[in-house]
Amino acid sequence: NAGVMQNPRHLVRRRGQEARLRCSPMKGHSHVYWYRQLPEEGLKFMVYLQKENIIDESGMPKERFSAEFPKEGPSILRIQQVVRGDSAAYFCASSPWDGARREQYFGPGTRLTVT
Amino acid sequence: AQTVTQSQPEMSVQEAETVTLSCTYDTSENNYYLFWYKQPPSRQMILVIRQEAYKQQNATENRFSVNFQKAAKSFSLKISDSQLGDTAMYFCAFKSGGGADGLTFGKGTHLIIQP
Repeated sequence: NAGVMQNPRHLVRRRGQEARLRCSPMKGHSHVYWYRQLPEEGLKFMVYLQKENIIDESGMPKERFSAEFPKEGPSILRIQQVVRGDSAAYFCASSPWDGARREQYFGPGTRLTVT
Repeated sequence: AQTVTQSQPEMSVQEAETVTLSCTYDTSENNYYLFWYKQPPSRQMILVIRQEAYKQQNATENRFSVNFQKAAKSFSLKISDSQLGDTAMYFCAFKSGGGADGLTFGKGTHLIIQP
């Protein structure tokens, strides 16, 4: 059973470009979470999605950031017009339906560098 | 909003020693979950141990155990017989028992095991 997959592992973008980060949850998992980790910081929750639905986006910046989890295919975190402050590691986690516990399994992260 | 505080930015112990990492949190909820995650240099987030707030018994996973003090809102991690492979960042995390599903992380403790 493959774990959570994220790609690319490293992404370099110039200021103003778009960044697309992909996350494939573990098999059988229908819940996806995105987190951002700035240097020397813990992870910060961004958004929680189920298939075709955004459940909680309270941690998402209001502009330039969007996320989706289509019926088929991976979840996508999209950052438009990137700025230097977007440089960070972005982690995806997935969980099965397991009542309220919903243990989260993390992918290896995508390190975004904005030049 | 919940907060998680890890007051030890860095700790260093000798191999085979026992070390305790501290974590405190603030919440008005009665039902919640607490986690310790390990992040080695590979940056992969690995779940170490989990505690349900409604359980009085402290969780244990091999060399890892917690001291959960609900009234004091304290959740420390004890690592016994420490090994070189335990060197990593350790993050304490809080999850609400209902409503929002994102994890709230502390800033982490960098644990170094010296040979």
